[in-house]
This record gives sequence, structure tokens and C-alpha cells, in this order.
Amino acid sequence: GESVGLHLPTLSVQEGDNSIINCAYSNSASDYFIWYKQESGKGPQFIIDIRSNMDKRQGQRVTVLLNKTVKHLSLQIAATQPGDSAVYFCAASSGFQKLVFGTGTRLLVSP
Amino acid sequence: GAGVSQSPSNKVTEKGKDVELRCDPISGHTALYWYRQSLGQGLEFLIYFQGNSAPDKSGLPSDRFSAERTGGSVSTLTIQRTQQEDSAVYLCASSLAGGTGGDTQYFGPGTRLTVL
Repeated sequence: GESVGLHLPTLSVQEGDNSIINCAYSNSASDYFIWYKQESGKGPQFIIDIRSNMDKRQGQRVTVLLNKTVKHLSLQIAATQPGDSAVYFCAASSGFQKLVFGTGTRLLVSP
Repeated sequence: GAGVSQSPSNKVTEKGKDVELRCDPISGHTALYWYRQSLGQGLEFLIYFQGNSAPDKSGLPSDRFSAERTGGSVSTLTIQRTQQEDSAVYLCASSLAGGTGGDTQYFGPGTRLTVL
């Protein structure tokens, strides 16, 4: 079955820097990927998603990159702000299977 | 429109008692999911409802856990004879279609369960 893992449990950045959070997945048949942000005491909040027929998708200050060759997914946050401090989860699914979530990376933004 | 809501937001119970957690999905969403999140951990899938189909119960950790979804809308997760290891945040999510691949799940705020 699918397994999803993030490379670092914690990422510390300075305000204004760009942040990159990485994720690896195991199932080469995975065709849908999604990033969530979870702030303390709240449920996960949808950030951005991407399907396997794309390798890049941009949102507001966020970009998701998909490398199917090495089964790697990344979330880039431009000009990171203190409000971006949270735990970020990636998740993947294939076909009609349910999402499988990674364990999360905590992003700490210092002023 | 309103998002996914859950109640109660916090629940403290004694070991051995039964608890019921409620989830109101987004109106019109046919799929509903329950997850468990232990402190500092990722999301553990529990159960999934899609329309009138039989639920996917493959994630329920024991027979003390059960869930219902009435009328295709509100869902209740019941934990019988609670144990201390059941202490966690229980998250509910709903999605528009479910089971079709690539369907965004929207989460509620969770219920924090503490078993003393």
C-alpha cells in the first residue's frame, strides 16, 4: 500500500525567506497529491493540490512541485510570514483509493 | 457556506465510559471521513462513508469503535469502554464526491478527547 513520509519533522526559517517542505511517496500509481496546513488547535486546512498529469502548480505564495520519477513532492512558500507557522501535511492517493497522509513537518518562522 | 463542524470541541471522560462524537459535514458532500490524531502525530484513518455504500471500516482500531451516518449527513463516532490510549483529537472531514480519486477533503476543528 501507499506510504507517505516527510523528510524533516521541523523546519526553521526567518521571516521573508522562502520555505521548502519535502515529501516522498511510495506508490508509483499515486495520481493525486494534496498539501494541508494545520495550526495549533485547529483541523487541517487545504492549501493546494496537484494531479499526476502536472509537475507544477502555483497558488497564492505557494507552489507545489511533483517529481514522479523519484516520487517526490514539495511545497514552496514564498516570503514566509509568521502566520505560516504550522504543521504541514502532504497526502497522496491513487485511483479510487483514499488519501494516505504523511506525518507532518512543523514550520517555525522567526521574526 | 458553513464548513465541517464537530461537537463537542473537548471531551473529558473516565476510563470505561462510552463517548459519542458528532460531525456535521458540509452540505451536499456525500463522503465523510473520521481520523484520529495523537499528540504530535499524523492522521490515522478510522472510517469512511460514501453515499449509501457500506462504510470502509478498515481503520477502526478495535470493536470498541463504531460510527454511524444518518440520512447521509450527520455522523456519530462512538467509543465504548474508553481507554487512556484513546486520548487524541478526533477529526472529521467531508468531500464532495469521495472515492473518485483526487477529491479534496475539508476538515472540521476536531474533538479533543481526554480519557482519565
